[in-house]
Amino acid sequence: EDQVTQSPEALRLQEGESSSLNCSYTVSGLRGLFWYRQDPGKGPEFLFTLYSAGEEKEKERLKATLTKKESFLHITAPKPEDSATYLCAVRSSSGNTPLVFGKGTRLSVIA
Amino acid sequence: NAGVTQTPKFRVLKTGQSMTLLCAQDMNHEYMYWYRQDPGMGLRLIHYSVGEGTTAKGEVPDGYNVSRLKKQNFLLGLESAAPSQTSVYFCASSYPGTGDTEAFFGQGTRLTVV
Repeated sequence: EDQVTQSPEALRLQEGESSSLNCSYTVSGLRGLFWYRQDPGKGPEFLFTLYSAGEEKEKERLKATLTKKESFLHITAPKPEDSATYLCAVRSSSGNTPLVFGKGTRLSVIA
Repeated sequence: NAGVTQTPKFRVLKTGQSMTLLCAQDMNHEYMYWYRQDPGMGLRLIHYSVGEGTTAKGEVPDGYNVSRLKKQNFLLGLESAAPSQTSVYFCASSYPGTGDTEAFFGQGTRLTVV
């Protein structure tokens, strides 16, 4: 069974204080690992897709990396507007399998 | 280009009532999904569809039914609502291209069953 575990559940940072969010996964062949951002009262918004170990992608203050067992979302010099819940999801390469999500990390950036 | 649109945005039901949630996408996506999101539980898959006329059960399908009569629409039905179905429901769609593509989500439907 595919599983995704995200840590920490919640993270509080001062503005400018860099940190990383973790996504550990178990999947029978990784087809893709996805990062989403979700603001309160809204649907998840796509950030990145990673396909193979060693791959990295960046967008503004966010950088996602992937190994064979986990992915990290690095946040460099965060701003209050980066406050949101960050979700990680995986899709297995076996058949027409849907995305399996982790429970998310709730990030608060304090000015 | 609206993306993924969910109707309604809010609804209050009495226990035992029925209702249908509508999801419409205008991106010609093959795959469509229904998730529910509860505090501390994350997004859990209810049902999904890999194409017009097909449906499959997800992680938490009990108490729900779905239909995909048209490629652009995916309906989620509650035949007899229960308080345990109070949740925020999200629809998503994706296109199974080479290497895979991301899923796009609707804005959610907040359902309360009293």
